Amino acid sequence: GAVVSQHPSRVICKSGTSVKIECRSLDFQATTMFWYRQFPKQSLMLMATSNEGSKATYEQGVEKDKFLINHASLTLSTLTVTSAHPEDSSFYICSARDQFYEQYFGPGTRLTVT
Amino acid sequence: AQTVTQSQPEMSVQEAETVTLSCTYDTSESDYYLFWYKQPPSRQMILVIRQEAYKQQNATENRFSVNFQKAAKSFSLKISDSQLGDAAMYFCAYALTGTASKLTFGTGTRLQVTL
Repeated sequence: GAVVSQHPSRVICKSGTSVKIECRSLDFQATTMFWYRQFPKQSLMLMATSNEGSKATYEQGVEKDKFLINHASLTLSTLTVTSAHPEDSSFYICSARDQFYEQYFGPGTRLTVT
Repeated sequence: AQTVTQSQPEMSVQEAETVTLSCTYDTSESDYYLFWYKQPPSRQMILVIRQEAYKQQNATENRFSVNFQKAAKSFSLKISDSQLGDAAMYFCAYALTGTASKLTFGTGTRLQVTL
């Protein structure tokens, strides 16, 4: 089956710094990737849709200047959390959509901001 | 906007028994997909089963089957012969067909499997 990787799996950063999370589709090309955020014991909330070669589409209430998304190639999308604060601590999950509109999820990244 | 509701925060089933997880959704669209995803403690989301709204036949995948009632906007998941490895969070999700296909998730049901 299709595999999606995320790096890093865990990251701890200091308040005010920026952190970048990578999402890669390993064995297929993904023109569209999605970024989700999941708080403990809660569901996944879609943050943004990342399209290769164009600007990301953000969901209502998501700060596009704080959560920068770049979909530089058909296999890579990055999420940069800028000027991170403790309230940005969360589990971030990406998914990549293949040509059959099937979504495959990455293993997630746990971000802790101290 | 589409919404997905899972009214059972937690469910418990004995090993080898059958359990049904409930899901209802609200949409004004006629063409869409419904999914059940499993999230074990590893947090990796795993697709369990998928149903196209235009298909009347309920989807099945080995021990997993759904009861799709389009008019009632209901989409329940039945797990037969439950196994310890089935213990996880289960999320019901909805997506429009076509290029949109953003997933809208329910709040999840935590399934415990006991001996």
